[in-house]
Amino acid sequence: GQNIDQPTEMTATEGAIVQINCTYQTSGFNGLFWYQQHAGEAPTFLSYNVLDGLEEKGRFSSFLSRSKGYSYLLLKELQMKDSASYLCAVSGGGSYIPTFGRGTSLIVHP
Amino acid sequence: DAGVIQSPRHEVTEMGQEVTLRCKPISGHDYLFWYRQTMMRGLELLIYFNNNVPIDDSGMPEDRFSAKMPNASFSTLKIQPSEPRDSAVYFCASSTYLAGALGGANVLTFGAGSRLTVL
Repeated sequence: GQNIDQPTEMTATEGAIVQINCTYQTSGFNGLFWYQQHAGEAPTFLSYNVLDGLEEKGRFSSFLSRSKGYSYLLLKELQMKDSASYLCAVSGGGSYIPTFGRGTSLIVHP
Repeated sequence: DAGVIQSPRHEVTEMGQEVTLRCKPISGHDYLFWYRQTMMRGLELLIYFNNNVPIDDSGMPEDRFSAKMPNASFSTLKIQPSEPRDSAVYFCASSTYLAGALGGANVLTFGAGSRLTVL
């Protein structure tokens, strides 16, 4: 299986930048995903990384280092609506089905 | 497309009762997943289907849980008898496998979830 570790909770200020880290252990890595989940809602897909490096998509970027088993999600110009849980998920071990981490609850305050 | 549709959105039942959760995946998606989410354990995969066939049910907690997918547009997750520790949000998700140069990925689309409370 996959071991996925991410901080439980983070706080940040509106307009700032925040980096949410994720470390993982898996054999046969097939890809890493980030999902956003607002309270009481379903997770929604944010990004997918399979190669090392940074993938930028508007205010959100995701980075992957396969050799280090490490990823981060970078959120710029934070807005109040970015308050949500951010789930790191990894597929590997011969499967393309993602296993989810516990999620990082991000609180953005004015 | 209306997305993944789940029903009921909320269910409150008493211990020992049978619970049936329903899911309609996105048309054209050939993978269907059932997840359970709790504060203690996060998002756990219970079972997934490919082309209506159960592929991995190792996450199903015990024999009280069963899932079926009689056709490509409908799946059920049944709990009988239900217990208070089954209280959770149950998500259904669907996807199709996207092949790429370095393998592929299943990007899941989740339904809104069914919040189950067992008293």
